[in-house]
Amino acid sequence: AQKVTQAQTEISVVEKEDVTLDCVYETRDTTYYLFWYKQPPSGELVFLIRRNSFDEQNEISGRYSWNFQKSTSSFNFTITASQVVDSAVYFCALIGFGNEKLTFGTGTRLTIIP
Amino acid sequence: DSGVTQTPKHLITATGQRVTLRCSPRSGDLSVYWYQQSLDQGLQFLIHYYNGEERAKGNILERFSAQQFPDLHSELNLSSLELGDSALYFCASMGGTGELFFGEGSRLTVL
Repeated sequence: AQKVTQAQTEISVVEKEDVTLDCVYETRDTTYYLFWYKQPPSGELVFLIRRNSFDEQNEISGRYSWNFQKSTSSFNFTITASQVVDSAVYFCALIGFGNEKLTFGTGTRLTIIP
Repeated sequence: DSGVTQTPKHLITATGQRVTLRCSPRSGDLSVYWYQQSLDQGLQFLIHYYNGEERAKGNILERFSAQQFPDLHSELNLSSLELGDSALYFCASMGGTGELFFGEGSRLTVL
């Protein structure tokens, strides 16, 4: 069985602060993929990143960075110098190789205060 | 723009009615996934099709059915609608590199 836990239901930070969104997962698969999606107030789900379980190299994309730690089954997402446009609900998700179902966490609502 | 097209974007209907939601995957993608997002349930996996074949089923009600056609578009049929079926229904397609791209969703309101 797969499970994704996003313990932070809501986070509010002041603009320009850094913020980290936590994601912890459970899976029996040895090969799996982890995702982060952003859902802005308009409602669409925007793909941010996919990581393979065999690639633990952290990734940085502009103000976004992701820390994948297999030892703790975590895939955390950090936004540096947050902006109001970052306000959204962020979902972490997991799919096992050969599995047919992408399992989502319950999401973290991030509010950036101007 | 994800390349995944969903219609209609908004739909209002009454209890007991039947609706059909349509999804066109990204060009070249064979997989189509359907998800339901309601306020109290988060994003729930409904069903997955690959090249016309059903590959996996999630918590999909018996009143709901889906299919994927030879041209790879998919339809999700919701019948005997109840108030609790009001939700945002997402379709997604998966590319060869494993990214899952979502459409903008179809917001269903059952009155």
